[in-house]
Amino acid sequence: AQKITQTQPGMFVQEKEAVTLDCTYDTSDPSYGLFWYKQPSSGEMIFLIYQGSYDQQNATEGRYSLNFQKARKSANLVISASQLGDSAMYFCAMRGTLTGANNLFFGTGTRLTVIP
Amino acid sequence: EAGVVQSPRYKIIEKKQPVAFWCNPISGHNTLYWYLQNLGQGPELLIRYENEEAVDDSQLPKDRFSAERLKGVDSTLKIQPAELGDSAVYLCASSLSPNEKLFFGSGTQLSVL
Repeated sequence: AQKITQTQPGMFVQEKEAVTLDCTYDTSDPSYGLFWYKQPSSGEMIFLIYQGSYDQQNATEGRYSLNFQKARKSANLVISASQLGDSAMYFCAMRGTLTGANNLFFGTGTRLTVIP
Repeated sequence: EAGVVQSPRYKIIEKKQPVAFWCNPISGHNTLYWYLQNLGQGPELLIRYENEEAVDDSQLPKDRFSAERLKGVDSTLKIQPAELGDSAVYLCASSLSPNEKLFFGSGTQLSVL
């Protein structure tokens, strides 16, 4: 079975500072993908970044980067230069190739609050 | 390009009443998903369609939930009869193919009284 764990229910960060949101996962699939989504108060889930399990380099998308440590089964999201608009729920998700193939499984999320 | 459109945005009903949610995916997206999101939780998959075929409905409570995707485009999710525990946000998502990233709609927030 696949499992996504986000241990931080809430995080605070000062505007313009960097913040790391933790995500660990568990799967027996040999190949899988890891995703981060942002959910602002409007409710829509917004795709941020993707990391494939066989990708050699950590993924980056603008101010977002994914710190992928395969041996530790962690996929932490790093947001640099935080902005007030970054305040939202953040969800880590995983998609395997065998277990529940092509279905996206989500963690419980972390609520990020950016302080001016 | 229009995103995933869901309606209604909010729905309040009394228990035992039927309710339906509608989703229009992004044009050209063959894969469509319905997710359930309880308060303070991550989304959980209810059903996934490839074109008009439901390829994974293992998490759909079939005694009261049903879904359809006629002509492989729009989709409707129905609950009949609704129970108090069905109060949640129902999210629709679509992707070009099963291996591509998902685009989500804004969801329908259901309150069952």
